[in-house]
Amino acid sequence: QKEVEQDPGPLSVPEGAIVSLNCTYSNSAFQYFMWYRQYSRKGPELLMYTYSSGNKEDGRFTAQVDKSSKYISLFIRDSQPSDSATYLCAIPINNAGNMLTFGGGTRLMVKP
Amino acid sequence: DAEITQSPRHKITETGRQVTLACHQTWNHNNMFWYRQDLGHGLRLIHYSYGVQDTNKGEVSDGYSVSRSNTEDLPLTLESAASSQTSVYFCASSESLGSGNTIYFGEGSWLTVV
Repeated sequence: QKEVEQDPGPLSVPEGAIVSLNCTYSNSAFQYFMWYRQYSRKGPELLMYTYSSGNKEDGRFTAQVDKSSKYISLFIRDSQPSDSATYLCAIPINNAGNMLTFGGGTRLMVKP
Repeated sequence: DAEITQSPRHKITETGRQVTLACHQTWNHNNMFWYRQDLGHGLRLIHYSYGVQDTNKGEVSDGYSVSRSNTEDLPLTLESAASSQTSVYFCASSESLGSGNTIYFGEGSWLTVV
């Protein structure tokens, strides 16, 4: 079983829609959870990270962690065409927090 | 601005040849990583280094090697390129801080082995 699972999509939505991106993970000891955004032919860039359970909001983006279900989500409100990218969840698997295991990524397309 | 650069950005090579992908960062980060990204597998860790003269194997290290002679550079070498190593390769770096610190990625190197 992979440590982090993610639906590859693609997910196509109209501009202005609320987008929900999700990952499941296998190890209940994981504490930090990250979301990276990757534009086509570019390297991933950190979008948000959360610690333990709960929500974290940053502008139109909300990251949510449900540790009881081992489920993490990224919500995008009022989605824009510029949000079209691949979104990868990532979890540090060592105590230093600098070795990441990634989900396979979900490709999002926001149509104007 | 500090950055992380990879070269070459695109390369086509033949099976059996030795290939080196360069990675250079100007953040003075201790930690450096090489990942490969393939459809269906996401990003997988090849090798990593926590400082000068330190190298460690990741999840998919067979057929690859790295060396760390200074803080700024972590070159990735494919000893004898195979078609299975056709992929996009990303170098990354981070500070030596606790969990939650940002890992910065380069722009990627597209390698095709024919």
